[in-house]
This record gives sequence, structure tokens and C-alpha cells, in this order.
Amino acid sequence: DGGITQSPKYLFRKEGQNVTLSCEQNLNHDAMYWYRQDPGQGLRLIYYSQIVNDFQKGDIAEGYSVSREKKESFPLTVTSAQKNPTAFYLCASSRREGYEQFFGPGTRLTVL
Amino acid sequence: GQQLNQSPQSMFIQEGEDVSMNCTSSSIFNTWLWYKQDPGEGPVLLIALYKAGELTSNGRLTAQFGITRKDSFLNISASIPSDVGIYFCAGINAGNMLTFGGGTRLMVKP
Repeated sequence: DGGITQSPKYLFRKEGQNVTLSCEQNLNHDAMYWYRQDPGQGLRLIYYSQIVNDFQKGDIAEGYSVSREKKESFPLTVTSAQKNPTAFYLCASSRREGYEQFFGPGTRLTVL
Repeated sequence: GQQLNQSPQSMFIQEGEDVSMNCTSSSIFNTWLWYKQDPGEGPVLLIALYKAGELTSNGRLTAQFGITRKDSFLNISASIPSDVGIYFCAGINAGNMLTFGGGTRLMVKP
């Protein structure tokens, strides 16, 4: 099946630790995205990548980092500099920038 | 940045009723998208609209791309309990930037 996978579904970390969220797609899409969603809120763009080895900051990039070494993979690291990291994180991909985005199932991160 | 105003923010309706929601903006979009998000899951694309005036259906869902290209509408006919969730609109502009609306939370009374 083609799709987007995110792992794990639930993640718990202690305050001050960096944590990396996985996102993989086998849709052969060029563009990938990371969004943050807080309870009862909409989607806010963290980072996006239009092509391998290139990425741009979104609206709320502070405290996050990404890499795009392979077309299929776009991992997100939540660093200790992120002041309020507890949230639901969604990864998406699209054929190219400007096309429909398709979402993964999300990872719920809780920092204790 | 661009903003999409989605309304209503929430709706509590009786099973069997029809539902209408919309998204408006002061900016023009070339593509309108409608997504549904179930609790604890990622949004799923319901309908994509590519031309002004376009009317597209997906089962009980019908969406329209406004003539001015600044708005879009989603209607759900004969609602059922599994329609519960958050519906998001999204617009893609000429610069290929995608903007999401704030979402409409739909609750259905059986």
C-alpha cells in the first residue's frame, strides 16, 4: 500500500531531552511537511521540504530541527529549546509544492 | 500571511440533518481542499476543487469553489454519527502556498 507512516503513535519524554519523530512516505512525493496541532486548534506549519537536502522554516520553527537526506524520509527533532513541546505532530507529503497534501496518522508527544 | 476564515467554529446537529460550512478569504486561491480529521488521527482529504464555480460531490458531501475564488463551501446531507469530527478547508494560492482554515467541529446527536 502507498501511504505515509509516522512512528511511534504515542511518545513520552522527560523535560530537557531531545526527541526525534519519524515520518516515511512511499508515494514518491517530492514535498514533505511537519505540522503541530494543539488541543482544539488548527494546524501550524513547522518545517517543509520541497526536495532532498533542502528545507525551509514554517511559521513556528523555533525549537525544532529537520533533515531530508532521502526522498522517503523527513524526521523531525523536538529539541530542549522548544518551550512547550507537548502536542500532536502531523507529517504530510505532496507530489510537489502546490499540490494536495496527504497526512500521516500523527504522533502524540507528551513531555513530563 | 494569508488567512482563511472558516465558519462556523462548531456545530451540534441532529442525526439526519444537513450541514453547511464555509471558508472565506480576502485573497484568491487556485485550489480549494476539504479535509476531515477524526479524533487522534491525521486529516483525510475529502474533496479537491480546481476551477472557479466547480461543484464536486463525494457521496453525501458536496463542495463548491466560489466564483470569486475567495471562498468555498462544504455541504453534508443527511448526517450520520460517523460524520463527527473536525472539517478543515485549505486553499493553495498562485505562489503554491497552502493555508488551512481554523476548522469546524461537527457533533451529531443520534
